[in-house]
Amino acid sequence: HSALTQPASVSGSPGQSITISCTGTSSDVGGYNYVSWYQQHPGKAPKLMIYDVNSRPSGVPDRFSGSKSGNTASLTISGLHTEDEADYYCSSYTSSSTLVFGGGTKLTVL
Amino acid sequence: EVQLLESGGGLVQPGGSLRLSCAASGFTFSSYAMSWARQAPGKGLEWVSAIGGNGGSTYYADAVQGRFTISRDNSKNTLYLQMNSLRAEDTAIYYCAKHVALWFGQNTEYWGQGTLVTVSS
Repeated sequence: HSALTQPASVSGSPGQSITISCTGTSSDVGGYNYVSWYQQHPGKAPKLMIYDVNSRPSGVPDRFSGSKSGNTASLTISGLHTEDEADYYCSSYTSSSTLVFGGGTKLTVL
Repeated sequence: EVQLLESGGGLVQPGGSLRLSCAASGFTFSSYAMSWARQAPGKGLEWVSAIGGNGGSTYYADAVQGRFTISRDNSKNTLYLQMNSLRAEDTAIYYCAKHVALWFGQNTEYWGQGTLVTVSS
């Protein structure tokens, strides 16, 4: 399975909303509701932000939300905060019994 | 509190071997699948391998199939990754991660801080 496709970068101003897309195939994103999103700040380990397409772990602000349509999943961050500036990765289970990550998206909060 | 502490990274020559360990605490280790993932310098995340809670099921990315072996010792709460025939492209920070169930298909929820493996002559 090839890496899932994410935009290399997105940007927004504090208070605005942004959406990061994650496009796969019917053998991964489209075939399973096991899509997750991770936030990674420089030099830090990834942190789970969304799991099972649209569920939030405890402690993650409700500004973060997930969705899926067909083979494309999306992460939306509403009311951007400066601390949201980070790299974001999507992940999905695949029909080959593997996991696959997206290439990552760098979010800049202007 | 869940803690995952990787060790065993370092500098190794191409073709060499290395064994990574991940010491887990703060949860019932045998009840959860575990994965290894890696991140090359300046690059994105790449899933490497996973193992079921009882160690009976293992899964590998194509890039490491046949060269890496994942295992676990539930009596020691420790996850391992034996890496053989190492290549320059295996250079990365290696993370261990805890899944939310016995089966690895669902998401990971906790990650360690990683250990750096450098393959170079």
